[in-house]
Amino acid sequence: GQNIDQPTEMTATEGAIVQINCTYQTSGFNGLFWYQQHAGEAPTFLSYNVLDGLEEKGRFSSFLSRSKGYSYLLLKELQMKDSASYLCALLPYNNDMRFGAGTRLTVKP
Amino acid sequence: NAGVMQNPRHLVRRRGQEARLRCSPMKGHSHVYWYRQLPEEGLKFMVYLQKENIIDESGMPKERFSAEFPKEGPSILRIQQVVRGDSAAYFCASSDGDGTEAFFGQGTRLTVV
Repeated sequence: GQNIDQPTEMTATEGAIVQINCTYQTSGFNGLFWYQQHAGEAPTFLSYNVLDGLEEKGRFSSFLSRSKGYSYLLLKELQMKDSASYLCALLPYNNDMRFGAGTRLTVKP
Repeated sequence: NAGVMQNPRHLVRRRGQEARLRCSPMKGHSHVYWYRQLPEEGLKFMVYLQKENIIDESGMPKERFSAEFPKEGPSILRIQQVVRGDSAAYFCASSDGDGTEAFFGQGTRLTVV
């Protein structure tokens, strides 16, 4: 299995920066994904890492280190609307996508 | 280009009835995933299908649950003889299988009364 681990909950202040970590144990995979899910809604795609390093998309960045089995999602200039669950997902070589339990982020004024 | 379409959005069933959840993948996608989500919890993998093939059903309960993705038409997740514990949101996602992201439908919220 992939054993994808994320913190259960995090709290941050509006305008700040928050880093959500994801660790995993797997022998190999095509890519690592981050999704955002607001309560009662479907997950939406945020970012995707195939190679080690940082991928930046506006206020969101994601980092991957395959050797360390580690990824993080960085959210800058937090807004109240960023309060949501953030899901880390692995896409193994057989395309059998699996998700972590998600991190529930609360942004406070 | 319509996204992933799931129907119904909400489904209420009495204990012992059957529930049929439908998922039409995005145009051009031949890979479908089904996930189950309980309130305040993460997405739990159920089954991964390609057209006419079940690739991985390791997350499906051995009894009462089945899934198919026929050559024509939507993917169907079928739950027979539903029980209260089956109440959850069931999400479908599709991809083109080329290692790119999967897109989710809006989910079906099943309530068993």
